[in-house]
Amino acid sequence: EMQLVQSGAEVKKPGESLKISCKGSGYIFDGYWIAWVRQMPGKGLEWMGIIFPDDSDTTYSPSFRGQVTISVDKSINTAYLQWSSLKASDTAMYYCARLGVGSYGMDVWGQGTTVTVSS
Amino acid sequence: QSVLTQPPSVSAAPGQKVTISCSGSNSNVGSNYVSWYQQLPGTAPKVLIYESNKRISGIPDRFSGSKSGTSATLGITGLQTGDEADYYCGTWDDSLGAYVLGPGTQVTVL
Repeated sequence: EMQLVQSGAEVKKPGESLKISCKGSGYIFDGYWIAWVRQMPGKGLEWMGIIFPDDSDTTYSPSFRGQVTISVDKSINTAYLQWSSLKASDTAMYYCARLGVGSYGMDVWGQGTTVTVSS
Repeated sequence: QSVLTQPPSVSAAPGQKVTISCSGSNSNVGSNYVSWYQQLPGTAPKVLIYESNKRISGIPDRFSGSKSGTSATLGITGLQTGDEADYYCGTWDDSLGAYVLGPGTQVTVL
């Protein structure tokens, strides 16, 4: 079964750093782009960026470029999303998803990681 | 503020049909395939339609997608209570060099 399993919920203070993960299984992880998608409380989905595990080629949405870093360790089939200095406005659910259908269609989704940033 | 426009909500009685529009521009919907995602309350999104009109395996044929010019449409026929969810369109935007998602449409079964 193809799946993406994300790391658990995080509670952090403003200014702290954070790295959340997304581990793929049941398919050839290297061969498919992985996207990160943000959903702020009560709001819609926002596409943050993508990474290709085989060569770490990365594309960011202009809205998120410079705000987060997307990385991957293909040896353990895991993609990451990280912040160097969290803000309260980073409080959200974060999903990873595999780009597996058509042109950028996201067909396998992680369960989501809740990030809460509060002093 | 999304570059794609969707109605905030649509509703219909069980068994009826709803359509959800996704309006964009030549740099996104007009020149790229559209996908549609369903997000049931409290769950991760799920893709229904890709390449504008292809159904994902296992998705009932009550769900259909189409595209014309700079607009795409998701249709749901034979509406069921289990279809109550938020629906999002998504496509690549050549000008932004990024994937964009619509603001979402909440479907309510009356």
